[in-house]
Amino acid sequence: QKEVEQNSGPLSVPEGAIASLNCTYSDRGSQSFFWYRQYSGKSPELIMSIYSNGDKEDGRFTAQLNKASQYVSLLIRDSQPSDSATYLCAVNPPRSQAGTALIFGKGTTLSVSS
Amino acid sequence: DTEVTQTPKHLVMGMTNKKSLKCEQHMGHRAMYWYKQKAKKPPELMFVYSYEKLSINESVPSRFSPECPNSSLLNLHLHALQPEDSALYLCASSQDPTGAYNEQFFGPGTRLTVL
Repeated sequence: QKEVEQNSGPLSVPEGAIASLNCTYSDRGSQSFFWYRQYSGKSPELIMSIYSNGDKEDGRFTAQLNKASQYVSLLIRDSQPSDSATYLCAVNPPRSQAGTALIFGKGTTLSVSS
Repeated sequence: DTEVTQTPKHLVMGMTNKKSLKCEQHMGHRAMYWYKQKAKKPPELMFVYSYEKLSINESVPSRFSPECPNSSLLNLHLHALQPEDSALYLCASSQDPTGAYNEQFFGPGTRLTVL
């Protein structure tokens, strides 16, 4: 069964610190990897996409992918209270004729204290 | 236009009512999705439309009936729902459902309460 695992948290960091969120996945043939941010009562917002091994940076966010270890992470530098949210890791399994649907982890709740 | 819109934002219905949720995107995406999300849980896939054809139905009860009138619109028809169906219903779209990347963008959701 295809699975995506995340620590549920809560992960608590002080303002200005680096928050590190981790995710592992079971299907070695997975194609692409996403991080969504979801504020309480709101819908998921796509914040990072990564497709190849290595790091991808966008502002204060860095996504890291290691396909050999089946591991993807999200680093948030200079964390702000507004970063407090649930972060969902999502994985796109191997393509099929019928199309594919993302597999979501259960999410990690991040709390940034001022 | 880079957003997915959903109406209504909130819906309260009785167990005997019939209602519909609507979703629209104008990004030229060829896949559209319905998800159900309960509190403190990840989104749970219900249906996928790929090139306007139903491609995935995750064993959803028949009281939920999807419809894709065209490539920009997606409806979810609701009938005889149960209180446990109360949840946030999310619509999403992606450019190419069979592509390697398949970035999905979510609408704001409809908060459904079944009395």
